[in-house]
Amino acid sequence: QLQLQESGPGLVKPSETLSLTCTVSGGSVSSSSHYWGWVRQSPGKGLEWIGSIYYSGRPYYNPSLKSRVTMSVDTAKNQFSLRLSSVTAADTAVYYCARRLGLGEPFDYWGQGTLVTVSS
Amino acid sequence: SYVLTQPPSVSVAPGKTARITCGGDNIGSKSVHWYQQKPGQAPVLVIYYNSDRPSGIPERFSGSNSGNTATLTISRVEAGDEADYYCQVWDRSVVFGGGTKLTVL
Repeated sequence: QLQLQESGPGLVKPSETLSLTCTVSGGSVSSSSHYWGWVRQSPGKGLEWIGSIYYSGRPYYNPSLKSRVTMSVDTAKNQFSLRLSSVTAADTAVYYCARRLGLGEPFDYWGQGTLVTVSS
Repeated sequence: SYVLTQPPSVSVAPGKTARITCGGDNIGSKSVHWYQQKPGQAPVLVIYYNSDRPSGIPERFSGSNSGNTATLTISRVEAGDEADYYCQVWDRSVVFGGGTKLTVL
């Protein structure tokens, strides 16, 4: 059974960079055709896609966040990561990592989510 | 960018049928996925590719998609179905609907 687990600081200061890691167990980040992604949810709000990264390392970002987002895959650690720069209070959210099996495919496995608060 | 529109809330009595809509321009030409999210939990896929159910999802959950509207239908609604429901498509990026809160009266 595939499992995803987010980790990273729960508190980030404004203007700094948010960094999160998703550790994959029960499967491999190197599996062909897998897209590993991030979705966030601001308190009381809906789901927002941040981006996805193909198993080979090619990223796909939400156009509205593209200028601040970087994603990467670490095959040795079986992890993938998110970096979001120049954060503001509007970036306070629960961040989920999730898997898709293709660009048009659904997110079939999700992490439990991690709350990141942006505050000084 | 592509926009998906969902009603903010839907209420239904136990045992009745709930229908949650997801509107979008010619959405019938796209594949729609639906997620259920209960408070404090991650979303769970309940319908994919318009009408397919993942294993473990009750047959009470069904979906359809035509024209400008996709619909998630929950038959014989139970108290445990109370949750937020989100539709999602791929249109050069992942797009989620705003979500619908299903209340079981």
